[in-house]
Amino acid sequence: GNSVTQMEGPVTLSEEAFLTINCTYTATGYPSLFWYVQYPGEGLQLLLKATKADDKGSNKGFEATYRKETTSFHLEKGSVQVSDSAVYFCALSGQGAQKLVFGQGTRLTINP
Amino acid sequence: DTGVSQDPRHKITKRGQNVTFRCDPISEHNRLYWYRQTLGQGPEFLTYFQNEAQLEKSRLLSDRFSAERPKGSFSTLEIQRTEQGDSAMYLCASSLLGGRGEKLFFGSGTQLSVL
Repeated sequence: GNSVTQMEGPVTLSEEAFLTINCTYTATGYPSLFWYVQYPGEGLQLLLKATKADDKGSNKGFEATYRKETTSFHLEKGSVQVSDSAVYFCALSGQGAQKLVFGQGTRLTINP
Repeated sequence: DTGVSQDPRHKITKRGQNVTFRCDPISEHNRLYWYRQTLGQGPEFLTYFQNEAQLEKSRLLSDRFSAERPKGSFSTLEIQRTEQGDSAMYLCASSLLGGRGEKLFFGSGTQLSVL
């Protein structure tokens, strides 16, 4: 079945550092890929998505590129801020309804 | 857009009791999903509705679980004869039926603790 494997956390960085959170997936067909973020005390929010190979999703300075050849969707940001501290989830869905399959999440803490 | 709301935020119950959670989706959204999340894990799909029809249920959803969405608006998730293994965060999400990569809007969840 479909599955998502995320880089294990927690991850702690200093402000303005470069961020990479690795995500690889196993899926049949051509899934859509997502990064969701959960800020403290809030619900999950969609951060970015890509629906086909070589697509790049971007939002709030974060980027991720759908790499079919390596089955990866790594999240990157060039310069993180304290406000980026949150739990980040990589997820995929097949065609049709959004029965998302999530990774286990990566807790990110940014220190000033 | 008032967002997806879930009630209650927290529920503590004793093993063997029944509990019911409510989810109010964003008003024009026709799809509604339930997920379950345990500590340190990502959410797991339980079931979803398109309007009032329940179209799919995960194997995770045992016979003790039932969900409804009367009139295609709010939804309820009931767990009968709760067990300690049911302790988790129960998340509701809604979306507009769309193409690939449709965006889900999540509520803040109901945290269930079974003693």
